[in-house]
Amino acid sequence: DGGITQSPKYLFRKEGQNVTLSCEQNLNHDAMYWYRQDPGQGLRLIYYSQIVNDFQKGDIAEGYSVSREKKESFPLTVTSAQKNPTAFYLCASSIGQVTTDTQYFGPGTRLTVL
Amino acid sequence: DQQVKQNSPSLSVQEGRISILNCDYTNSMFDYFLWYKKYPAEGPTFLISISSIKDKNEDGRFTVFLNKSAKHLSLHIVPSQPGDSAVYFCAASTLNTGNQFYFGTGTSLTVIP
Repeated sequence: DGGITQSPKYLFRKEGQNVTLSCEQNLNHDAMYWYRQDPGQGLRLIYYSQIVNDFQKGDIAEGYSVSREKKESFPLTVTSAQKNPTAFYLCASSIGQVTTDTQYFGPGTRLTVL
Repeated sequence: DQQVKQNSPSLSVQEGRISILNCDYTNSMFDYFLWYKKYPAEGPTFLISISSIKDKNEDGRFTVFLNKSAKHLSLHIVPSQPGDSAVYFCAASTLNTGNQFYFGTGTSLTVIP
């Protein structure tokens, strides 16, 4: 079955610890994205990648880092520099980076920093 | 600053009636718009899109209307079904700047059987 998987679904970390969220897709999509959702706010773009070994910052990249070593994988690291890391994180992918390319989303990871 | 706004956090509609979900945007450069639907514990799924060269796009029970002068779009679901109960997000982008979207805060639709 083709799709996007994010693991784990729920993640708890102590303040000051880095944590890496997994995102894998088997859709053979070139572009991948990370969004964050907070209560009362829309999805906000953290980072995106058009091709392997290339990525760009979105609107709220501070305190986050990503890598794109493989086409199918786009892990997001939430560093201790992120002031308010507790949020719902969504990963998405699309065939390319043309605006009309539909983005397909994973089920999300809810991160809680204690 | 929220460039895409959905001012109604929730909406309840009787089964069989019309559901109208509204979305407003502030950036006049946006020329491509989408609606996504999200069930609990799942990621959003694409529903319908519209570009600014049109003012209406229809797909089955779903129709999106775009009013560029008012910077407003709406999603009509007719007839509404219980399976339509979900959170609906609108999103906007500009066609010449790649696949970066600005999302609204979502409207939770409940269709009452």
